[in-house]
Amino acid sequence: AQSVTQPDIHITVSEGASLELRCNYSYGATPYLFWYVQSPGQGLQLLLKYFSGDTLVQGIKGFEAEFKRSQSSFNLRKPSVHWSDAAEYFCAVGARPGGSQGNLIFGKGTKLSVKP
Amino acid sequence: DAGITQSPRYKITETGRQVTLMCHQTWSHSYMFWYRQDLGHGLRLIYYSAAADITDKGEVPDGYVVSRSKTENFPLTLESATRSQTSVYFCATLDRGPNTQYFGPGTRLTVL
Repeated sequence: AQSVTQPDIHITVSEGASLELRCNYSYGATPYLFWYVQSPGQGLQLLLKYFSGDTLVQGIKGFEAEFKRSQSSFNLRKPSVHWSDAAEYFCAVGARPGGSQGNLIFGKGTKLSVKP
Repeated sequence: DAGITQSPRYKITETGRQVTLMCHQTWSHSYMFWYRQDLGHGLRLIYYSAAADITDKGEVPDGYVVSRSKTENFPLTLESATRSQTSVYFCATLDRGPNTQYFGPGTRLTVL
C-alpha cells in the first residue's frame, strides 16, 4: 500500500540551530515527492519537490531535501532555523503525470516549534 | 485575484443540515481536489475531479457530494452534516506541467 510516514509528531529546536525533518514513503512506482508547509490558520504552501535528476533539491525559505531511494526517504533540512519557520510540515508523494489521478498521499505532519 | 478561493472561510452548522463549501480557481486547471484535515490524520482526499462533469471518490467520500459543471468551480456538499465532519477542508488544483498541487486557504467547519 502507498503510504508516507513522518516519524516525528512534534520537534522543538532553538533558533539558529539546524533542522532535519524525516519522511519515509512506500510507493510502488517512481514517486514524485513534495514538502509543504502550513503556518497556523493558513493553507499549504509548497516548499520544494523532487521529480528526477539531482537527488538534493533546493526550495524556498532556505530549505533543502535529499531523496534517498535506497532508504525510501526524503528528509527536509535547513542549516539555521528562524523563529518564522515555526509551522507544520507535511511530506507527500504523488504519481507521475499520465499515471494515476495526480492525487497526493500525505504524511500526518510534523509540528515545528522554535525556541528563542 | 488569481489562484484558489474558498468560501466561506468559517462555518458553524448543526447536525442534519445541508452545507455547501465553495471552491473557485482562476487558472483553468483540469484537476481539482477536496481534502479534509484532522488532527492526527494529516490530509485525506475526499473527492477529486479530472475535468468538468468528471468526478471520483477519494479515501473518505462517505457523507459528501461533489459536482463540477464548470472547470473553475468545485463545490463540496455535506447533505446531512454530522459532528464527525467537523474539520478543516482544503480545495486544491493540479498544474499538470510541473505536477504540483496548489491549495486554497481552507474552510473551518464546525458541526454542533
